[in-house]
Amino acid sequence: LAKTTQPISMDSYEGQEVNITCSHNNIATNDYITWYQQFPSQGPRFIIQGYKTKVTNEVASLFIPADRKSSTLSLPRVSLSDTAVYYCLVGDMDSSASKIIFGSGTRLSIRP
Amino acid sequence: NAGVMQNPRHLVRRRGQEARLRCSPMKGHSHVYWYRQLPEEGLKFMVYLQKENIIDESGMPKERFSAEFPKEGPSILRIQQVVRGDSAAYFCASSPSQGTQPQHFGDGTRLSIL
Repeated sequence: LAKTTQPISMDSYEGQEVNITCSHNNIATNDYITWYQQFPSQGPRFIIQGYKTKVTNEVASLFIPADRKSSTLSLPRVSLSDTAVYYCLVGDMDSSASKIIFGSGTRLSIRP
Repeated sequence: NAGVMQNPRHLVRRRGQEARLRCSPMKGHSHVYWYRQLPEEGLKFMVYLQKENIIDESGMPKERFSAEFPKEGPSILRIQQVVRGDSAAYFCASSPSQGTQPQHFGDGTRLSIL
């Protein structure tokens, strides 16, 4: 099972770019990297998913180096509403959910 | 929240009572997953079900907990003879096929045991 390691917390200010790095040294060949966002009293929401290199969507970018042992979620120009917990998950797209592990996540706090 | 509906949102039970948590997956999704989350912690997988079948229950406690996903109606997570340690947020997620990421999550049921 590919375990992930993320910073427990991060602080930033409105308008800044925030980069959250996740380590997954034991990532397997078939594993994808998925990031979720969770607000208090809500379920996790999918942000972005990737396998290698760079993926970008309307809310974030995901950078994955060639060795895939880490990944970086990049949030451009954050706002107060980006304050949330961010989870990095690694798992096989075809595997049972039990092989997908939610760590403790990164608690991101955005200040005015 | 992507169409996964959980109810009730909050449930209070006394020790020894039964708790029933319901989850209606997103339209077109036939795979349901249940997770438990304690305060300040990540989600812990409990069980994965397909219509009328339990696919993986490796995260489910052996006693007092059961889950079902009948042919008709919502998925049910049932906790018998609840204890204080069962207090947590229980999240349901659904997907259109096995193991597919991303999963779509409901907003959870917060279970409080008095």
